[in-house]
Amino acid sequence: QQQVKQSPQSLIVQKGGISIINCAYENTAFDYFPWYQQFPGKGPALLIAIRPDVSEKKEGRFTISFNKSAKQFSLHIMDSQPGDSATYFCAASENTGFQKLVFGTGTRLLVSP
Amino acid sequence: EAGVTQFPSHSVIEKGQTVTLRCDPISGHDNLYWYRRVMGKEIKFLLHFVKESKQDESGMPNNRFLAERTGGTYSTLKVQPAELEDSGVYFCASSPWTARGEAFFGQGTRLTVV
Repeated sequence: QQQVKQSPQSLIVQKGGISIINCAYENTAFDYFPWYQQFPGKGPALLIAIRPDVSEKKEGRFTISFNKSAKQFSLHIMDSQPGDSATYFCAASENTGFQKLVFGTGTRLLVSP
Repeated sequence: EAGVTQFPSHSVIEKGQTVTLRCDPISGHDNLYWYRRVMGKEIKFLLHFVKESKQDESGMPNNRFLAERTGGTYSTLKVQPAELEDSGVYFCASSPWTARGEAFFGQGTRLTVV
């Protein structure tokens, strides 16, 4: 049973466009929702994270939108650049104080020049 | 400052053999986690150490997997005997002892069992 469902599996966006990746979760005990970015040959790196007390968080070109009632959250990449081409993972964890993360299956993003 | 380091980067072994993966966390990080990604699927939690103690090993697939963390420093994950379904990328992550300290991931070890 997959606790965090992520879509799409892959995404092609033109340079300058908006990339949108969606995630949905089941466990209402989740209270921390990070997004990780992974380049080939590297490990996942924290990109941006949100807690359910806010509906949106923005850091530069990256924005997380969070809908607690729908149990959904999404990552928006504005003005997408070829350097953003990577695999993106959404994740969630409960309020245990530790990083026991439940990941989505990942989205492979390709930003075409 | 050095990041999380994993050895080896790749390992190809035959079914039934033993493999040991190693993780060196960021110095001073008390929390160490092992995760695994089977091809095309999600990254799954395996276990969590706080210093040298196992805090949570609920994600370990079966008793063929043994994790240790000697003296609260580096950690090893041994698979014995390896099966085909153990193939995947094994990630190690570490985080400091603070509330929700960010977890830093290593580059992973790609294990292929043939």
